[in-house]
Amino acid sequence: GQSLEQPSEVTAVEGAIVQINCTYQTSGFYGLSWYQQHDGGAPTFLSYNALDGLEETGRFSSFLSRSDSYGYLLLQELQMKDSASYFCAVKTEDNFNKFYFGSGTKLNVKP
Amino acid sequence: EPEVTQTPSHQVTQMGQEVILRCVPISNHLYFYWYRQILGQKVEFLVSFYNNEISEKSEIFDDQFSVERPDGSNFTLKIRSTKLEDSAMYFCASSKQGGNTDTQYFGPGTRLTVL
Repeated sequence: GQSLEQPSEVTAVEGAIVQINCTYQTSGFYGLSWYQQHDGGAPTFLSYNALDGLEETGRFSSFLSRSDSYGYLLLQELQMKDSASYFCAVKTEDNFNKFYFGSGTKLNVKP
Repeated sequence: EPEVTQTPSHQVTQMGQEVILRCVPISNHLYFYWYRQILGQKVEFLVSFYNNEISEKSEIFDDQFSVERPDGSNFTLKIRSTKLEDSAMYFCASSKQGGNTDTQYFGPGTRLTVL
């Protein structure tokens, strides 16, 4: 089966840096996406990594190591509005348009 | 900015009834998806749709479910005989391409409550 592991909850203070890890075991691997979801809202795409390395988009960066089946989302200069759930999602090679989501990490940003 | 829309925002139904959830994907997108999220749990893939046919579906997407693109703009999910465990938020998403760099845009969701 497919398995994605993320911490269930992380707490950090405003202005800090936080890293949310995701490890995966899937039958194939095509890329790793990250989504943000505020309570009651829809998932919003943040980033996608198909190759090893770090991708930076403003305050958010995402990293992938295919050999370690591991990735992370890095959020810098945390703001209160970053309080949300963050999901990693894997696109498997043998299912081109199918994504497996992790259980999500609830990020609590405190003043 | 174009966005995916879904109606209704909340649907309440009796067990055994049929429901149709509606979505209008972004107009120049080619790939459409349905996901569901049971309260407090992860997002689960149901089905993807391209060129007027299903391209992938999950184990959850059994004979009870069907999808349709009845016209050039709408994309629907039908649940034939609802069960209590079908209560969830159902998200529609669309993407421009199905390639490895595509971004999926999610609609606001329909909360389905089965009584």
